[in-house]
Amino acid sequence: DGGITQSPKYLFRKEGQNVTLSCEQNLNHDAMYWYRQDPGQGLRLIYYSQIVNDFQKGDIAEGYSVSREKKESFPLTVTSAQKNPTAFYLCASSMLGVPYEQYFGPGTRLTVT
Amino acid sequence: GQNIDQPTEMTATEGAIVQINCTYQTSGFNGLFWYQQHAGEAPTFLSYNVLDGLEEKGRFSSFLSRSKGYSYLLLKELQMKDSASYLCAVRDGANNLFFGTGTRLTVIP
Repeated sequence: DGGITQSPKYLFRKEGQNVTLSCEQNLNHDAMYWYRQDPGQGLRLIYYSQIVNDFQKGDIAEGYSVSREKKESFPLTVTSAQKNPTAFYLCASSMLGVPYEQYFGPGTRLTVT
Repeated sequence: GQNIDQPTEMTATEGAIVQINCTYQTSGFNGLFWYQQHAGEAPTFLSYNVLDGLEEKGRFSSFLSRSKGYSYLLLKELQMKDSASYLCAVRDGANNLFFGTGTRLTVIP
C-alpha cells in the first residue's frame, strides 16, 4: 500500500534536547512538506522540499532543520532553539504542479517538558 | 498578506444539511482545497475547486466564487462520523498553500 508514514506517534523529550521526527513516503512524490498544528490555529508550514538535496523555509522555520537526501525521506529536527516545540507535527507529500493535493501522514505529537 | 477565515465551530443534527463557509484574501489564486481532519489524525483530501461553480462528490459538494473570494463545503445527510474539523486551504499565485484555522463540526443525534 502506498502512503506516508511518520514515527513515532507520540514523542516526549526534555527541554534542551534536539529531536528528529521521521517522515517516509512511497508514493513517488517529488514534493514533501512539514507542518505544525497548534490548538485553534491552522496548519503552519515549517519547511518544504521539491527535489532531493534542496529545501526551502516556510513561515515558521526558526528552530527547525531538515534534510532531503532521498526522495522518499524528509526528516525534521526540532532543535533546542525552538521556543515552543510542543505541538502536533504533520508531514505531507504531493506531486509537483498546481492541481495536486497534498497527502498527509498520521502525525507525531511532540511534548517537551 | 494571506487571510483565510472560517467559523470556529458548528453543530448540526444527524440527517441534516450543513454549509461551512470559507472566505479568503490571497495574492493571486491557484485553487482551493477542503480537507477533513478527525481529532488527532491526518487531514484527508475532500475536494478541489479552481473554477467558479459547484463540484459534487457524493454527500459532499464544494462551491467557489473567485470574484467574491468565497467558498463553501456542503455536507448532506449528515452522519455521526462526519463530526470532525474541516480545513479550507488556498493556493496563492506563487503556489504556496495556506490553511485556515479549521471549522470543528459536531453532529448530534
